[in-house]
Amino acid sequence: EADIYQTPRYLVIGTGKKITLECSQTMGHDKMYWYQQDPGMELHLIHYSYGVNSTEKGDLSSESTVSRIRTEHFPLTLESARPSHTSQYLCASSQDTQYFGPGTRLTVL
Amino acid sequence: DQQVKQNSPSLSVQEGRISILNCDYTNSMFDYFLWYKKYPAEGPTFLISISSIKDKNEDGRFTVFLNKSAKHLSLHIVPSQPGDSAVYFCAASGLGSARQLTFGSGTQLTVLP
Repeated sequence: EADIYQTPRYLVIGTGKKITLECSQTMGHDKMYWYQQDPGMELHLIHYSYGVNSTEKGDLSSESTVSRIRTEHFPLTLESARPSHTSQYLCASSQDTQYFGPGTRLTVL
Repeated sequence: DQQVKQNSPSLSVQEGRISILNCDYTNSMFDYFLWYKKYPAEGPTFLISISSIKDKNEDGRFTVFLNKSAKHLSLHIVPSQPGDSAVYFCAASGLGSARQLTFGSGTQLTVLP
């Protein structure tokens, strides 16, 4: 099973702030993903990466951006947070099966 | 248009009995299916998967059944335990270099002691 770490676990921040959600994995997986999930709803893919220097947008439109400079690291950035960005953000990595990190619960006031 | 549907938002089962969670899909290009379990404020945990070339896969108390003609899969948990209480997500993927997953909206399973 993959070891995937996300920080912070919880973040409460004011509107207009820039935030970066961190995701790291230690299994050397090529593929990494970011999902957004609201309570009672399905997970929606917002970004994914095939490997270093590769990033793609997912099915759900998002104002966030991602980068993949190192295999193990896939941070997500919001330049200007808004209340509509309040959600849980889940990072995953895979060679075949996707394994998830613990998530970041973001609240924008 | 939701391609993976879990029509039961919740299910309650007595401890020791069988839990059956259902999932339907519409995209015939899906060829790999997974079940994840999720506790509040945590990430999903992988439980079991099945490829479209099989109709059953078993791992301990968990069995997944796939009916391709009906585009239906189910997860059986037997015997159910209170620790199984969580939200269960069905997910599917098709051929694609990133193996993107499409998730259902989840079923809250409550196992009563």
